[in-house]
Amino acid sequence: QLQLQESGPGLVRPSETLSLTCIVSGGSVSMGSYRWSWIRQPPGEGLEWIGCVYNSGRTNYSPSLKSRVAISLDMSRNQFSLRLNSLTAADTAVYYCARNLGQYQYMDVWGKGTTVTVSS
Amino acid sequence: DIQMTQSPSSLSASPGDRVTITCRSSQTITTYLSWFQHKPGKAPRLLIYAASSLQSGVPSRFSGSGYGTDFTLTISSLQPEDFATYFCQESYTTQFTFGPGTKVDI
Repeated sequence: QLQLQESGPGLVRPSETLSLTCIVSGGSVSMGSYRWSWIRQPPGEGLEWIGCVYNSGRTNYSPSLKSRVAISLDMSRNQFSLRLNSLTAADTAVYYCARNLGQYQYMDVWGKGTTVTVSS
Repeated sequence: DIQMTQSPSSLSASPGDRVTITCRSSQTITTYLSWFQHKPGKAPRLLIYAASSLQSGVPSRFSGSGYGTDFTLTISSLQPEDFATYFCQESYTTQFTFGPGTKVDI
């Protein structure tokens, strides 16, 4: 059974870069017609899609975050990563990773999420 | 950019009630619509994909319908474990826009 687990720092300073990793178990990031997404939820707000990476390495990003975000795939470690730079308090959120599946690219498997606080 | 709206934003219901939540997109998304259940501190759970397909393992009291711009999620008989927030999401564009959510409480 496919499982995703986010890992990374819980506290990051303003202006710094956030690095998160999603460790994939029970399946391979390199197989199938999948995309691998990052999503976040700021406190008291709704879900926001950040971007995704295909198993080819191609990426798509939210226009509102495109200038600050990079998502990459590491097939040797069976994981994918998020980097978000120039952090502000508005980036404080629970960050989730998820798999997009099939023609409809629905997100069928999610990690449990990791809380990131941006504060000095 | 595509916009997703949901109504109502919240509702109160009792176990056994039939609950209907509406999701609307600002442009046609045919059937590229998913529904998720989200509880505090937990990962969102996929309920419905392709507007009306029930995800494996999801109880049959959940159903989805709609096409184009208007969609509904129906819970036929609300159970105590169904009190949660429900989100719709489009996957027609490459932006995977979520609706703002509908909180279902007692």
